[in-house]
Amino acid sequence: AIRITQSPSSLSASTGDRVTITCRASQGISSYLAWYQQKPGKAPKLLIYAASTLQSGVPSRFSGSGSGTDFTLTISCLQSEDFATYYCQQYYSYPWTFGQGTKVEIK
Amino acid sequence: QLQLQESGPGLVKPSETLSLTCTVSGGSISSSSYYWGWIRQPPGKGLEWIGSIYYSGSTYYNPSLKSRVTISVDTSKNQFSLKLSSVTAADTAVYYCAREPGIAVAASHSLDYWGQGTLVTVSS
Repeated sequence: AIRITQSPSSLSASTGDRVTITCRASQGISSYLAWYQQKPGKAPKLLIYAASTLQSGVPSRFSGSGSGTDFTLTISCLQSEDFATYYCQQYYSYPWTFGQGTKVEIK
Repeated sequence: QLQLQESGPGLVKPSETLSLTCTVSGGSISSSSYYWGWIRQPPGKGLEWIGSIYYSGSTYYNPSLKSRVTISVDTSKNQFSLKLSSVTAADTAVYYCAREPGIAVAASHSLDYWGQGTLVTVSS
């Protein structure tokens, strides 16, 4: 299975900050990567697919980049509703696998 | 608006079989454009993909669970189901069902719609 290493595992930030989360795949996955946001007690929500394509309805402050093995999720101007846990997922080959998650907390 | 809803027992005894059903509303499970999947999340931990099924019945399972997992589809009821046998405490988790767009859809094989999740506890 393809292993996804996500970093950092947690971070503290303030409203208005720029936040960057990275995922590294154990082998090349082209652009077959998605990003999800999960709030406590809720299901994950798809933010970005194909590494950089914003899902409909997702604010433009979210962006994704990367291909091959290294990927980045950026939140350009953190809002209060963005404090959550973020996961990446590869869908290049079965089994689909997720990163360990990054919890974005209020500083 | 597409909605998915998991249902099934919230408590299962060790060594028994966990059975969950996902009911899809607002769309057809028989669409050739989508797969339907199960994902789980142990309390306080990350996400694990369990497997997916196509409306035709083709299945894809996580090898780590393959020997214990069966996913099936009932197009007449617009439902798909998960069975996980010989459960242990390690199978305690919130179980989610989700829609997985197929190759012909832009968001292919991401998970674009999720159910709210159901907590299944394995305990005697």
